[in-house]
Amino acid sequence: DGGITQSPKYLFRKEGQNVTLSCEQNLNHDAMYWYRQDPGQGLRLIYYSQIVNDFQKGDIAEGYSVSREKKESFPLTVTSAQKNPTAFYLCASSIGTSGGPMWETQYFGPGTRLLVL
Amino acid sequence: AQSVTQLDSHVSVSEGTPVLLRCNYSSSYSPSLFWYVQHPNKGLQLLLKYTSAATLVKGINGFEAEFKKSETSFHLTKPSAHMSDAAEYFCVVSDPGGSSASKIIFGSGTRLSIRP
Repeated sequence: DGGITQSPKYLFRKEGQNVTLSCEQNLNHDAMYWYRQDPGQGLRLIYYSQIVNDFQKGDIAEGYSVSREKKESFPLTVTSAQKNPTAFYLCASSIGTSGGPMWETQYFGPGTRLLVL
Repeated sequence: AQSVTQLDSHVSVSEGTPVLLRCNYSSSYSPSLFWYVQHPNKGLQLLLKYTSAATLVKGINGFEAEFKKSETSFHLTKPSAHMSDAAEYFCVVSDPGGSSASKIIFGSGTRLSIRP
């Protein structure tokens, strides 16, 4: 079955610690995205990547980092510089065309909930 | 600048009655508009999307939405609510005026509750 997987489902971070959230897709999509969701708010874009070895900052990139070494994988690291990391993190992908992501349906993973100890 | 406003944070209807979830947008260009649904602790799933074709868009699970440019609205409707429709619904606007994914804006969501 094609789809997007995120792991772990729950993640706990200690003060000053970096943690990495995994996102894998087998949909053969070029574009991948990371969003943060806080209660009562819509999704906010952290980073996105339209092609391997390239990625762009979204609206709230500070305190986060990403890599895109493989088409299938787009891990997100929440660094110690992110002072308020508690949130639900969603990864998504879309087919990725030259027209840009604005027209495309995004396919979402099940999410990772990050909690601070 | 584009924006999207979901006018109700919470809507409650009885099973079998119509559903209306309201969404208004602003955009400098002809936008693409989407509705996504999120069940608790899950990812989002596309319900339907408008990309400048027919203004009445039919989606999955009996939902539909009508693009009204004069009212800058894209309200989501369903004739008869089912218990399984209880979820959070997000209206999304994207601006084709640029190639950046940051032109995709999510509304704050509407929680739909269904009373037996």
